[in-house]
Amino acid sequence: AQKITQTQPGMFVQEKEAVTLDCTYDTSDPSYGLFWYKQPSSGEMIFLIYQGSYDQQNATEGRYSLNFQKARKSANLVISASQLGDSAMYFCAINEGTALIFGKGTTLSVSS
Amino acid sequence: EAQVTQNPRYLITVTGKKLTVTCSQNMNHEYMSWYRQDPGLGLRQIYYSMNVEVTDKGDVPEGYKVSRKEKRNFPLILESPSPNQTSLYFCASSLVGLGGNQIYEQYFGPGTRLTVT
Repeated sequence: AQKITQTQPGMFVQEKEAVTLDCTYDTSDPSYGLFWYKQPSSGEMIFLIYQGSYDQQNATEGRYSLNFQKARKSANLVISASQLGDSAMYFCAINEGTALIFGKGTTLSVSS
Repeated sequence: EAQVTQNPRYLITVTGKKLTVTCSQNMNHEYMSWYRQDPGLGLRQIYYSMNVEVTDKGDVPEGYKVSRKEKRNFPLILESPSPNQTSLYFCASSLVGLGGNQIYEQYFGPGTRLTVT
């Protein structure tokens, strides 16, 4: 069974709009971490945001926030006020202990 | 500057010719890991290491070897490369939590694009 599911292969949004990228996960471990990474067309992997399973508050980093719904096992990334530079592939990942498992990614395209 | 470096960045080789991709980090991270990225499959973990002389298999270890003799270096070895190992490879490193079984955000190298013909 897939550990991380990203159901949206591609998303399209206009500049300045908010967008939500979906991520659901599957784990029986009570202690885990959820990560989002951005991969622009240049290829590098850029860390965006982290949510620990015991964190009470949803994580936020600038324009990025994580909508963490533990009971539903979902960790959606919300990007507010999209910019052209946000166009990239986005990966959700979970770590259980020492293994890190990535989803297949969502391609976000931001248009002017 | 804190970074993870990989070499080479691009490599074209032939089936069966042994190769090594080097990875080095300057952040004193305990944890290092190798991933391969293939279209439609996301990133899949090959091997990881919690510390010097400690390595473990990830999801797709077949056909790969690693070693961790020093904390900063974690080379990936393909003893006999095959065309199905054509991929984009990433090395990454991170800190480990106090309990020793929790990793934090990973810092990635720039990637190595390998083609095996």
